[in-house]
Amino acid sequence: EAGVTQFPSHSVIEKGQTVTLRCDPISGHDNLYWYRRVMGKEIKFLLHFVKESKQDESGMPNNRFLAERTGGTYSTLKVQPAELEDSGVYFCASSQERGDTQYFGPGTRLTVL
Amino acid sequence: AQSVTQPDIHITVSEGASLELRCNYSYGATPYLFWYVQSPGQGLQLLLKYFSGDTLVQGIKGFEAEFKRSQSSFNLRIPSVHWSDAAEYFCAVVPSNTGFQKLVFGTGTRLLVSP
Repeated sequence: EAGVTQFPSHSVIEKGQTVTLRCDPISGHDNLYWYRRVMGKEIKFLLHFVKESKQDESGMPNNRFLAERTGGTYSTLKVQPAELEDSGVYFCASSQERGDTQYFGPGTRLTVL
Repeated sequence: AQSVTQPDIHITVSEGASLELRCNYSYGATPYLFWYVQSPGQGLQLLLKYFSGDTLVQGIKGFEAEFKRSQSSFNLRIPSVHWSDAAEYFCAVVPSNTGFQKLVFGTGTRLLVSP
């Protein structure tokens, strides 16, 4: 069974540009989570989808971040326009049921110059 | 404030030594407890978890952790460190007052292994 996959693995962009990160959860997992680790800090929750619905987006930093999960399968996280402080590693995780173990993808390392 | 604390940022041990990585949490009700590991260039891998029951939990690679309610701790033990254990270790909780959803992580402990 394939695990959680994320694309791209690395992205380097200029300040003000747009970047879209993609996450494909484990097949059959209704719950999908986005987390972020800014360098030197802890991994922080961004938001949680149940199927295509946003269950909790309390961790989204500001309105430059837009997450979608059309059709309840893969999810995208768009940053527009990117700022320097958005640099970090963005992790995606999925679980079958709420409260179940969350399985993480390898992350996307975003560098904003 | 509710939080997860990993007091050791870096630890260096010799190969073959035993090790305990500390984790404390500050939540009123016992949350679900996890240890994840991130090896260089890899994603987060689940080592073990505690939901309820036996307070000594066995995980992959011979790792174990013990939940101590009185100390609000969930320390990870590595009986004999191998060079391949060099990685960053994260303690995480799912607080019961969030409807058992989002993970709250500690800041991580980076383990270095010397020959």
